[in-house]
Amino acid sequence: GENVEQHPSTLSVQEGDSAVIKCTYSDSASNYFPWYKQELGKRPQLIIDIRSNVGEKKDQRIAVTLNKTAKHFSLHITETQPEDSAVYFCAASNPGGYQKVTFGIGTKLQVIP
Amino acid sequence: DGGITQSPKYLFRKEGQNVTLSCEQNLNHDAMYWYRQDPGQGLRLIYYSQIVNDFQKGDIAEGYSVSREKKESFPLTVTSAQKNPTAFYLCASSVGQALTGELFFGEGSRLTVL
Repeated sequence: GENVEQHPSTLSVQEGDSAVIKCTYSDSASNYFPWYKQELGKRPQLIIDIRSNVGEKKDQRIAVTLNKTAKHFSLHITETQPEDSAVYFCAASNPGGYQKVTFGIGTKLQVIP
Repeated sequence: DGGITQSPKYLFRKEGQNVTLSCEQNLNHDAMYWYRQDPGQGLRLIYYSQIVNDFQKGDIAEGYSVSREKKESFPLTVTSAQKNPTAFYLCASSVGQALTGELFFGEGSRLTVL
């Protein structure tokens, strides 16, 4: 089955700096890679995703890159703000057929004002 | 208001008791999932279901059971066979067999075994 590894498990950055979270996956059949943000006491919510036919995707201050050959993908947050503080999960899945979504262990990001 | 609803939000159970967590969605999604969240272990898949009357074991199904008798409902039973049931449980749904597999999560249920 799919195995998703995520690092670092915790990350502290100064407000305004960039943050990078990295994930690797094992199943070459996976073709959809979402990132979820979970604020304290709240449900995880999708913030950005990428499919395997795309190498990079941006949405304002966040971007995701995918290297299919190396089976790794990364989340980049620029100009971090205190409200970016949360736990971020990467995931991998194959939406076709019987979809099973596998998550990484999560990264707790703290943005220091 | 479309969404996914879990109940109860907090639940206490004595050892040896079975408990059932409710998950209802009105998003008309085909697929539903149960995840367990523990500190430092991320979200681990317990069971998932793509269609009514069909479900599959996830990575940590032992000690749990589910049913999918209706499209909108996917209850999870935590049985006395689950050795370490204290955890935060998240239910999710998705359109299923779509180009994207975005999961929509409920608010979660926190189970504490006394």
